[in-house]
Amino acid sequence: NAGVTQTPKFRILKIGQSMTLQCTQDMNHNYMYWYRQDPGMGLKLIYYSVGAGITDKGEVPNGYNVSRSTTEDFPLRLELAAPSQTSVYFCASRWTEYTGELFFGEGSRLTVL
Amino acid sequence: GQQLNQSPQSMFIQEGEDVSMNCTSSSIFNTWLWYKQDPGEGPVLLIALYKAGELTSNGRLTAQFGITRKDSFLNISASIPSDVGIYFCAGQAITGTASKLTFGTGTRLQV
Repeated sequence: NAGVTQTPKFRILKIGQSMTLQCTQDMNHNYMYWYRQDPGMGLKLIYYSVGAGITDKGEVPNGYNVSRSTTEDFPLRLELAAPSQTSVYFCASRWTEYTGELFFGEGSRLTVL
Repeated sequence: GQQLNQSPQSMFIQEGEDVSMNCTSSSIFNTWLWYKQDPGEGPVLLIALYKAGELTSNGRLTAQFGITRKDSFLNISASIPSDVGIYFCAGQAITGTASKLTFGTGTRLQV
């Protein structure tokens, strides 16, 4: 019953460093999403994927990149980290686009200093 | 990007109290969802609503899909300490072959 697994849970980066947040789901879901959560701001969509090999931008894609080489994995890459990217990042997945239920990972808290 | 207006932003509750929160939008939605997020965890789905006017319960939780399709309400009866957390509404709009899910800003319940 792993569901959606994110790593790492916590990370501190220096300005200008790069890193990849990993996301894996074992539910064979086609749709996967990356959100960021800032205090009092709810969840904002960064990137999403409708299946292996297909990705698209969400509301706030600048400074991020994604890839989807397999159904299970959807890593999020931060290039040249900036303080504005300090946030909690959530990966989520669902079977179809038309059922509302998203299954979320536990989150990755990133601090850029 | 669009976000839903969720109120109240935060509230303090006492055990046994009933709690109400709501979500409003300028756009209509096909689906309304309510999620709860515990500290250090990801959001978990509580209730999904698929039809205007629909009233659905999940234990002590009751949610309604507004008739105008622009709002939704969540009520918690006889609150208990484990109800503490952040509650998010989300609206899904389906236009043609595309769907878009928009999240509210959250209501923080504290004891």
